[in-house]
Amino acid sequence: AQSVTQPDIHITVSEGASLELRCNYSYGATPYLFWYVQSPGQGLQLLLKYFSGDTLVQGIKGFEAEFKRSQSSFNLRKPSVHWSDAAEYFCAVGYQAGTALIFGKGTTLSVSS
Amino acid sequence: DARVTQTPRHKVTEMGQEVTMRCQPILGHNTVFWYRQTMMQGLELLAYFRNRAPLDDSGMPKDRFSAEMPDATLATLKIQPSEPRDSAVYFCASGQGDRQYFGPGTRLTVT
Repeated sequence: AQSVTQPDIHITVSEGASLELRCNYSYGATPYLFWYVQSPGQGLQLLLKYFSGDTLVQGIKGFEAEFKRSQSSFNLRKPSVHWSDAAEYFCAVGYQAGTALIFGKGTTLSVSS
Repeated sequence: DARVTQTPRHKVTEMGQEVTMRCQPILGHNTVFWYRQTMMQGLELLAYFRNRAPLDDSGMPKDRFSAEMPDATLATLKIQPSEPRDSAVYFCASGQGDRQYFGPGTRLTVT
């Protein structure tokens, strides 16, 4: 069965510092991988997605993620965090386009000044 | 910007009452999903539809939950009777192809 693990429940990063949020998935083939962000009281917004091709994908708001098949990972990165990035981040996997997603439990990002 | 809309945004009800949540997907999207978010379980799929036909409702307690798409512009999720353990945020998402667009959610509290 597919599963997604986000090992870090809560991360605090200083404003301007770099960020990496970890995501590991369990799936037999190459899945469709997504990162979403959720601000308090809001729905989920897609940051980026990976299906195939270049393993480094660029997303919105300056985020990027790298797919590493050997590690079954899809970590999210940002070189310089802004206070407005404080939110909850979800990694998700789907087995094909247009199907339901399986989400990780999320990582809450706090940004300190 | 086209958006998924959900009503109501908040609902407080007593145990045993019927609850109906509504979702208007983005026009032209052929897939609609219902997810539930709780602190303990995170985000879980309840059901989803493609071209208004149910494809998967395995995540939904069948004895009390029902999901329908009366037409292409409306999806409903009904709980009857509601229980305190149903307290959660219920998200609707619509999609076309590889992207899913989420609504703002309905926060349900069952007392």
